Amino acid sequence: DGGITQSPKYLFRKEGQNVTLSCEQNLNHDAMYWYRQDPGQGLRLIYYSQIVNDFQKGDIAEGYSVSREKKESFPLTVTSAQKNPTAFYLCASSPRTGGSPDTQYFGPGTRLTVL
Amino acid sequence: DAKTTQPPSMDCAEGRAANLPCNHSTISGNEYVYWYRQIHSQGPQYIIHGLKNNETNEMASLIITEDRKSSTLILPHATLRDTAVYYCIVRVRAGNMLTFGGGTRLMVKP
Repeated sequence: DGGITQSPKYLFRKEGQNVTLSCEQNLNHDAMYWYRQDPGQGLRLIYYSQIVNDFQKGDIAEGYSVSREKKESFPLTVTSAQKNPTAFYLCASSPRTGGSPDTQYFGPGTRLTVL
Repeated sequence: DAKTTQPPSMDCAEGRAANLPCNHSTISGNEYVYWYRQIHSQGPQYIIHGLKNNETNEMASLIITEDRKSSTLILPHATLRDTAVYYCIVRVRAGNMLTFGGGTRLMVKP
């Protein structure tokens, strides 16, 4: 099936540890995104990438890092510098058709809890 | 991107139409109106989008006022599975970033 996968669904880490969240898509989409969602809130953009080997900071990039070595993969690392890492993390992708703003397709999310 | 205003919550009876309003009074001529929804603990799901004209697909209809300062998402026959948070987003063609506000929590009741 085509789609976006995020793993694991639930992740627990100790405070001070870095943790990497996986995001893979087989939709042949050029653009990929990471969002953070806190309880009862909307989504906030962390990082995005419009092409392989290139990415830009979103609204809340501090304490996070990403890489885009392959078109299919856009892993997010939550570093120990992120002061409040416990949240629901969502990955999305979209094609770059050049037409109307491209629809974003979301993965199922990873719920990270830092103990 | 223009800011949107939505009511925080709404109720709807099962089988009836759900009409979700969105104000975007500062929308620019090149900004589209998008609607997504998010069922609890899942990723957001695209519903529909439009620029000027009303749009309809298998999920919903989107009515945009002539001055484009507001829009309404219509779920013609709401089911219990339509219970979710509905986000109205406006954004320009260039760049794909979505700015999610608080959305409207729709509760469909039997």
